[in-house]
Amino acid sequence: AQKVTQAQTEISVVEKEDVTLDCVYETRDTTYYLFWYKQPPSGELVFLIRRNSFDEQNEISGRYSWNFQKSTSSFNFTITASQVVDSAVYFCALSEAVGAAGNKLTFGGGTRVLVKP
Amino acid sequence: GAVVSQHPSRVICKSGTSVKIECRSLDFQATTMFWYRQFPKQSLMLMATSNEGSKATYEQGVEKDKFLINHASLTLSTLTVTSAHPEDSSFYICSARTMYGYTFGSGTRLTVV
Repeated sequence: AQKVTQAQTEISVVEKEDVTLDCVYETRDTTYYLFWYKQPPSGELVFLIRRNSFDEQNEISGRYSWNFQKSTSSFNFTITASQVVDSAVYFCALSEAVGAAGNKLTFGGGTRVLVKP
Repeated sequence: GAVVSQHPSRVICKSGTSVKIECRSLDFQATTMFWYRQFPKQSLMLMATSNEGSKATYEQGVEKDKFLINHASLTLSTLTVTSAHPEDSSFYICSARTMYGYTFGSGTRLTVV
């Protein structure tokens, strides 16, 4: 069975500080996908990034960056120079890639980020 | 592309009545739709997986007679909460898998009074 753990339930920072969100996953599959989603107060889920298990290259996209460490089963996410609009709940999620369209997404518990002005 | 439209966004119903939530894939065919429930300050919990033309697969602990899922076409899946009670009040969200990952509906906030 697959499992995603986000140990941090809530993080509070002052604007312009960096925020790193931790994510640790468990899966028996060698092929899988990892995701980060943002959920603002309105409730919709905003896709941020997808990584497959064969791609450990870390990436920076604007103020966002990701650190995928297969050896420690971690997929951490950093917001650089945080802004008030970054306040939201962030979810890490895992999908096993075996099979076709029926693969479900397993979510971590989420980390609530509060950025204060 | 790959948009899922979910309606209604918000519904208040009386205890004992039924509520239907619709999810439509607008520009692609969704062979499989996932239905999640999210209680306040909690994560998304998968309720069931629906496949077009076949019976839905429910997660352990989810009452299939209470949460009726129909996926009659490649563009429409519905979740009906039957005989709703206040404890069914929650945020319900659907999701479809695409070639790029998963796309989500905007969610339905159900309040049972």
